[in-house]
Amino acid sequence: AQSVAQPEDQVNVAEGNPLTVKCTYSVSGNPYLFWYVQYPNRGLQFLLKYITGDNLVKGSYGFEAEFNKSQTSFHLKKPSALVSDSALYFCAVRDITNDYKLSFGAGTTVTVRA
Amino acid sequence: GAVVSQHPSWVICKSGTSVKIECRSLDFQATTMFWYRQFPKQSLMLMATSNEGSKATYEQGVEKDKFLINHASLTLSTLTVTSAHPEDSSFYICSATRDTGTSGSYEQYFGPGTRLTVT
Repeated sequence: AQSVAQPEDQVNVAEGNPLTVKCTYSVSGNPYLFWYVQYPNRGLQFLLKYITGDNLVKGSYGFEAEFNKSQTSFHLKKPSALVSDSALYFCAVRDITNDYKLSFGAGTTVTVRA
Repeated sequence: GAVVSQHPSWVICKSGTSVKIECRSLDFQATTMFWYRQFPKQSLMLMATSNEGSKATYEQGVEKDKFLINHASLTLSTLTVTSAHPEDSSFYICSATRDTGTSGSYEQYFGPGTRLTVT
């Protein structure tokens, strides 16, 4: 079974500082990895994905993620966080052998203080 | 493009009644639609996978007679919570999958969610 883990329930950073949200994965075969963001009472917004190619993936709103095969990680990063980045972030892996289902991590709440 | 809508966005119903939630892909035909349930500050739990014209596939532990899913067309799937009870109160999110044309590249687009409160 494919799964992702987000080891941190919460991440707190000051505005302007770098932001990192951690994600590790467990898959059989090639991983299809995603990051989504959710604001209160809203659906999920797609940030970025890794299918193949460059290990550094650039996405929406200045976010990027680095795929590290040896460490089975896919950490989300932003060089300079904004207060408006405060939200719930989900890492997900797609099972291409089973209806393309997404398995989500538990989520990480990011709080960026002014 | 690739917009998914849900209706209603918020609903309150009395215990014992049924509630229908619609999920529509507005500008594309969805190969597959998924229904998720989310409790406050928790992750999304997949409830079922819905393919047009066929019966939905439910995840283990999800009552198919309680959560009725109908996928009538390539742009519409509905989730009906039958005989709702307070413990069914939750945030329900749908997603629709579109084939982008690249091998293996099916994108999943999420609706804005429906907040159900059962009193």
